[in-house]
Amino acid sequence: GENVEQHPSTLSVQEGDSAVIKCTYSDSASNYFPWYKQELGKGPQLIIDIRSNVGEKKDQRIAVTLNKTAKHFSLHITETQPEDSAVYFCAASRDSNYQLIWGAGTKLIIKP
Amino acid sequence: GAVVSQHPSRVICKSGTSVKIECRSLDFQATTMFWYRQFPKQSLMLMATSNEGSKATYEQGVEKDKFLINHASLTLSTLTVTSAHPEDSSFYICSAESLGGAGTQYFGPGTRLLVL
Repeated sequence: GENVEQHPSTLSVQEGDSAVIKCTYSDSASNYFPWYKQELGKGPQLIIDIRSNVGEKKDQRIAVTLNKTAKHFSLHITETQPEDSAVYFCAASRDSNYQLIWGAGTKLIIKP
Repeated sequence: GAVVSQHPSRVICKSGTSVKIECRSLDFQATTMFWYRQFPKQSLMLMATSNEGSKATYEQGVEKDKFLINHASLTLSTLTVTSAHPEDSSFYICSAESLGGAGTQYFGPGTRLLVL
């Protein structure tokens, strides 16, 4: 079945540096790719998403890139801050009425 | 905008009792709501998808008679864990997809269930 692979499982970066998390999906019909941030004991929070008609999207320190040919997409966080520490999940779906296929998550640790 | 609430945030119950969890979309109407279960340090596992006014669609391996889902309105879905047992202890999270939302899911804060 469809799956999404996410790497790395844990990422530790110095405060102020950039962090990159990568995901690869298997379903070529996927056209919607959200990223969620989950803090301990809380529900996931949508931080950015991208659809297959664009290759990159930015929102302040966060950006997502999509390569449909290679079937992978990445989350980029610049100028990392302690509050960026959390677990980040990527997901893929075929759009409305289809379930999200989730990555396994990346624990991001920002070292002060 | 796009706020989803869940109640209760945590619940402790005795084995054999039933527990109801409510999921509400506060500022939008949700055509579809999803119920997930998450174990520690793991990703989210979809349990079921519910559309307002129709029966929920359960994922393989999820017992529909044990996890009763009701989606009576465009802003409320409930999950009832019937005859709960310790192995049902988990973090339950709902999400809602807005009318015309093109697949974007907004998540509730989750409900921590502990069955003794």
